[in-house]
Amino acid sequence: DVVLTQTPVSLSVTLGDQASISCRSSQSLEYSDGYTYLEWYLQKPGQSPQLLIYEVSNRFSGVPDRFIGSGSGTDFTLKISRVEPEDLGVYYCFQATHDPYTFGAGTKLELK
Amino acid sequence: AVQLVESGGGLVQPKESLKISCAASGFTFSNAAMYWVRQAPGKGLEWVARIRTKPNNYATYYADSVKGRFTISRDDSKSMVYLQMDNLKTEDTAMYYCTEAAILWGQGTLVTVSS
Repeated sequence: DVVLTQTPVSLSVTLGDQASISCRSSQSLEYSDGYTYLEWYLQKPGQSPQLLIYEVSNRFSGVPDRFIGSGSGTDFTLKISRVEPEDLGVYYCFQATHDPYTFGAGTKLELK
Repeated sequence: AVQLVESGGGLVQPKESLKISCAASGFTFSNAAMYWVRQAPGKGLEWVARIRTKPNNYATYYADSVKGRFTISRDDSKSMVYLQMDNLKTEDTAMYYCTEAAILWGQGTLVTVSS
């Protein structure tokens, strides 16, 4: 199974700072169709997860442009520029290239 | 409204069975791949199962942790997806989320396995 390793486990930031989360895969996430099915989610306390980024770098509808996804192959990054209060919660990467699909363990973004 | 609503969770004893359901509305359900994702209390997300659409023969896939015990199914005529869970273990205790290809998510239904 594909293992997604997220770092750091937690991240303390000041509002307005930039935050960066890494997600490394145990194998390439490029599918045979040429797409890379690596997504990013945010789960706020007491809520269901919400999709932020799909296929590495595409922002989902309504997601602010301060969320930027990048990477390829096995190495991916989510950057959040100018962190705002509504950005706090746990971020997960998720791969839908190889069955069984898998999530990273999560990165908790909190205020310093 | 576009939504997913899970139901059927509850308290069961180890080795028992439970079937949870998810009602979809507001989108063309028959065109959507559907997943179940779970989250144990205080833990991260775990993908559980997925079912593809009719043109893809309703193919199903499972996490290793539930393979052989859980069965995902769907009824396109009712816009419903189900998760039949057999031989439940205490480690299956979790909030179970229904999701449309991990894009649209329900609010979850809590399954507790305890003696």
